[in-house]
Amino acid sequence: EADIYQTPRYLVIGTGKKITLECSQTMGHDKMYWYQQDPGMELHLIHYSYGVNSTEKGDLSSESTVSRIRTEHFPLTLESARPSHTSQYLCASSKGQVQETQYFGPGTRLLVL
Amino acid sequence: AQRVTQPEKLLSVFKGAPVELKCNYSYSGSPELFWYVQYSRQRLQLLLRHISRESIKGFTADLNKGETSFHLKKPFAQEEDSAMYYCPRNAYSGAGSYQLTFGKGTKLSVIP
Repeated sequence: EADIYQTPRYLVIGTGKKITLECSQTMGHDKMYWYQQDPGMELHLIHYSYGVNSTEKGDLSSESTVSRIRTEHFPLTLESARPSHTSQYLCASSKGQVQETQYFGPGTRLLVL
Repeated sequence: AQRVTQPEKLLSVFKGAPVELKCNYSYSGSPELFWYVQYSRQRLQLLLRHISRESIKGFTADLNKGETSFHLKKPFAQEEDSAMYYCPRNAYSGAGSYQLTFGKGTKLSVIP
């Protein structure tokens, strides 16, 4: 079944640790996105990708990095987690065309102690 | 600057009452607007797009260029309509691609 997956769903980790949030989609979409959302606040686009080997920074500056080696996979990495990185991270994908629907994953809730 | 705003952070209505979730935009040209919804413990998902002029789950949204609005309406609220609603706009991001810009959203609470 076509879907978009995120793992882990919840992560509690100590300051200074390196973490990777996984996002995979079986939708056959070229474009993928990462959003960050603090509780009660707006979603902010932090990274997006047009396709393999393409990555761009979004509207909100983020210390995280992303890679797109395979079409279906778009992991996000924090080299050294800090409490300010505590947030919810949402992955999405789309065909990337005008008026095209974005499909969202279930999200990863990150807590950095 | 091109902006889309949802002035209400929280909207509470009684079951059976009409619902109107406000979305205002402040830029020229033809905006490309959507309504996305997130029910409790579910994913964010598309509800409506203005270009489709469709009705989903009893909701409609009409682009009003005179008032620069794209309000979401439903004549009779149901308890299952309780959710977070977002009105993002579509913006060109280069290389033939577009991306959505979300606001803070409006939490709709339908009181039984």
